[in-house]
Amino acid sequence: RKEVEQDPGPFNVPEGATVAFNCTYSNSASQSFFWYRQDCRKEPKLLMSVYSSGNEDGRFTAQLNRASQYISLLIRDSKLSDSATYLCVVNILLGRDDKIIFGKGTRLHILP
Amino acid sequence: EAGVAQSPRYKIIEKRQSVAFWCNPISGHATLYWYQQILGQGPKLLIQFQNNGVVDDSQLPKDRFSAERLKGVDSTLKIQPAKLEDSAVYLCASSNSGTQTHTQYFGPGTRLTVL
Repeated sequence: RKEVEQDPGPFNVPEGATVAFNCTYSNSASQSFFWYRQDCRKEPKLLMSVYSSGNEDGRFTAQLNRASQYISLLIRDSKLSDSATYLCVVNILLGRDDKIIFGKGTRLHILP
Repeated sequence: EAGVAQSPRYKIIEKRQSVAFWCNPISGHATLYWYQQILGQGPKLLIQFQNNGVVDDSQLPKDRFSAERLKGVDSTLKIQPAKLEDSAVYLCASSNSGTQTHTQYFGPGTRLTVL
């Protein structure tokens, strides 16, 4: 099983709809979780951190399920500008050091 | 605040040639990362520095790749000799290790094409 897995998509979603995708991780020592957004031919940028209690930022909601070892991202009232690749990032604590693993990303296309 | 700087932005070389990339992180950021991102995939961590020490280089192909951060600020990544499969975008990122969030700030990347 891969350390971090995402459905590559693409998810083709009409504008205004709600879309959700998950990311599963295999290492129970995973400590921190993030969603990054990457536009075509651009660098990744932090979208939001994922806390145990969940995290909401405007139309975006991120949740963590430690028992099932997955994180999720929900986008409400999707906009054309939400079209991007969403990267799941897991930070695993190994002794004193962290190991950072990116998923392969989920491509999202918002359709007009 | 200035972001992460990388150069060059693009590089085209022939296989078996050598190439070097440069990164200047955000001022004050102790942690610096080099990633390789092949088209259609997520970034793969090559090496992580904490100041001028290596934290993780487990995925760095050490027979051909090397990286250094001698003064704990800017860093260079070298490939010698390059192979066709090294064609990718090489991303540099930095983070402030003093925070709990480990937010990484990425540079624009260097797009390498090996012919």
